[in-house]
Amino acid sequence: GDSVTQMEGPVTLSEEAFLTINCTYTATGYPSLFWYVQYPGEGLQLLLKATKADDKGSNKGFEATYRKETTSFHLEKGSVQVSDSAVYFCALALKGAQKLVFGQGTRLTINP
Amino acid sequence: ETGVTQSPTHLIKTRGQQVTLRCSSQSGHNTVSWYQQALGQGPQFIFQYYREEENGRGNFPPRFSGLQFPNYSSELNVNALELDDSALYLCASSLAGTTTGELFFGEGSRLTVL
Repeated sequence: GDSVTQMEGPVTLSEEAFLTINCTYTATGYPSLFWYVQYPGEGLQLLLKATKADDKGSNKGFEATYRKETTSFHLEKGSVQVSDSAVYFCALALKGAQKLVFGQGTRLTINP
Repeated sequence: ETGVTQSPTHLIKTRGQQVTLRCSSQSGHNTVSWYQQALGQGPQFIFQYYREEENGRGNFPPRFSGLQFPNYSSELNVNALELDDSALYLCASSLAGTTTGELFFGEGSRLTVL
């Protein structure tokens, strides 16, 4: 079945460090790919998305590129801030399907 | 613009009881989905409602049921609660016809089953 695998957490970095959170997927078709973020005490929010191969999604300094050849959608940010501390979820959705399939989440903590 | 609101935010039940969770969708959104998020895990799709009908279901038993009302609000009902039903239940709304997977989530209802 369709699935998403994220790098194990938690991840702890210092402010201004470079961030990569790995995400790979398995899907029967050509999915759209997403990163959602869950800040403490808040609901899940869409961070960025990509709907086809080689698309790059970006938002708030975060980027991820849809790589069909490696079935990956790694999240990157060049310089993290304390306010980026949250749980990050990679997810896929097949076109026309009703559901999102989520990875297990990666907890990120940024220390000042 | 009103976001997705869920109630109650926390509740405690005992095994075998029944629970109803409520969700008001974001203004203008006609589709509601429910997800279960166990501690330390990603959300799992329970089902989706569109035009007051179930429009897709995940791998959950029939004791998980739902309703959508004409104003697009929704309820999730769970009968015969089990300990493993302890989780954060997330409601998400969207507008049919928009990009699949772009959902707006509420903060969730945390259910503890003792």
